[in-house]
Amino acid sequence: DAKTTQPTSMDCAEGRAANLPCNHSTISGNEYVYWYRQIHSQGPQYIIHGLKNNETNEMASLIITEDRKSSTLILPHATLRDTAVYYCIVRPPESRQLTFGSGTQLTVLP
Amino acid sequence: ETGVTQSPTHLIKTRGQQVTLRCSSQSGHNTVSWYQQALGQGPQFIFQYYREEENGRGNFPPRFSGLQFPNYSSELNVNALELDDSALYLCASSLGVLLAGDSEQFFGPGTRLTVL
Repeated sequence: DAKTTQPTSMDCAEGRAANLPCNHSTISGNEYVYWYRQIHSQGPQYIIHGLKNNETNEMASLIITEDRKSSTLILPHATLRDTAVYYCIVRPPESRQLTFGSGTQLTVLP
Repeated sequence: ETGVTQSPTHLIKTRGQQVTLRCSSQSGHNTVSWYQQALGQGPQFIFQYYREEENGRGNFPPRFSGLQFPNYSSELNVNALELDDSALYLCASSLGVLLAGDSEQFFGPGTRLTVL
């Protein structure tokens, strides 16, 4: 599986956009980028995924660069409840598992 | 629609004992995956069950085993517990085996296992 690199931690002011970067320079053409988050003591929560095009849903937007070597998860208006560890995962279509790294601890500050 | 549920919430065992953890998948989901999450780390894939058969396994020894029942619920069994087995055990359900871009996994709250 392609490896991902994420910053260990980030802070964001409440109400502002949170932009979480992820590098996946060895990604293959058929591998999807998934984002999950894990709030303390809870199971991971699916946020969004994409292949090549930018994606948006009710939770977030996913921006994937044209060369697909990096992506950014955008939470448009961060709230205190968005404080969590955010995982960027690259998954081959034939893989039956999600391979989690260490993720980014996002802290939303009041 | 009922989400993924797991039982028990917490469990304390001693080294050498055996443990069984349970998971009920989200309504309509026929695939269950189990993950182990040690403190401060991301979840690690243990195995997946689809149609009552193991359908992929991570780097875990045979003393980690599982079952899936006709109603798609699942059990994780761990024999000969070791101190390093202390972790949060997560169950995730999905519809069908994970295929390209089509099927995200929905996680339960986990079972916190402590081995003394």
